[in-house]
Amino acid sequence: KQEVTQIPAALSVPEGENLVLNCSFTDSAIYNLQWFRQDPGKGLTSLLLIQSSQREQTSGRLNASLDKSSGRSTLYIAASQPGDSATYLCAVRFTGNQFYFGTGTSLTVIP
Amino acid sequence: SAVISQKPSRDICQRGTSLTIQCQVDSQVTMMFWYRQQPGQSLTLIATANQGSEATYESGFVIDKFPISRPNLTFSTLTVSNMSPEDSSIYLCSVNPGGADTQYFGPGTRLTVL
Repeated sequence: KQEVTQIPAALSVPEGENLVLNCSFTDSAIYNLQWFRQDPGKGLTSLLLIQSSQREQTSGRLNASLDKSSGRSTLYIAASQPGDSATYLCAVRFTGNQFYFGTGTSLTVIP
Repeated sequence: SAVISQKPSRDICQRGTSLTIQCQVDSQVTMMFWYRQQPGQSLTLIATANQGSEATYESGFVIDKFPISRPNLTFSTLTVSNMSPEDSSIYLCSVNPGGADTQYFGPGTRLTVL
């Protein structure tokens, strides 16, 4: 059974800090991995998509890495801002079209 | 990309009743996905809806409880039938236009069952 785990479950940091969110998965045979952001009462916003052949993707202050052999991905957020406060979800596509989601990391950036 | 809308955005329902959630996409898509997010939990796929065929349900979800319609390539509905408090969740519609690898989500429907 494919499982996706995220740690920590919650994280609180002062504004300006760099931070890392972790995602681990049980099966290294992945198709791709996607990081999402979820704001309270809203849907999911796609942040970064990493294909299985890639090792990292960058968008602005965000950098996502992928290590299939160890079954891990990290989302690095540089110079955090209060507007980054949200829940961050990791989703892994193994085969077919189904995404398996982690339980998320709730991030609070304190001004 | 894709812009997805859902109706209603939220509802409070009585036990034993049914609610139909609508999902509208701004482009034609082959597959539409319905997810559930229970309180404090992550997303779980309920079913995949293809236009012109029966929906494919994931383990633990059945058509009698979650009937799905897919009348055309831009619209789908999910009905939550004979609701109980355990059905209180956020229900989200999702697509990957053109078979793209990126998945897009609607804003969700927050359902509370009393």
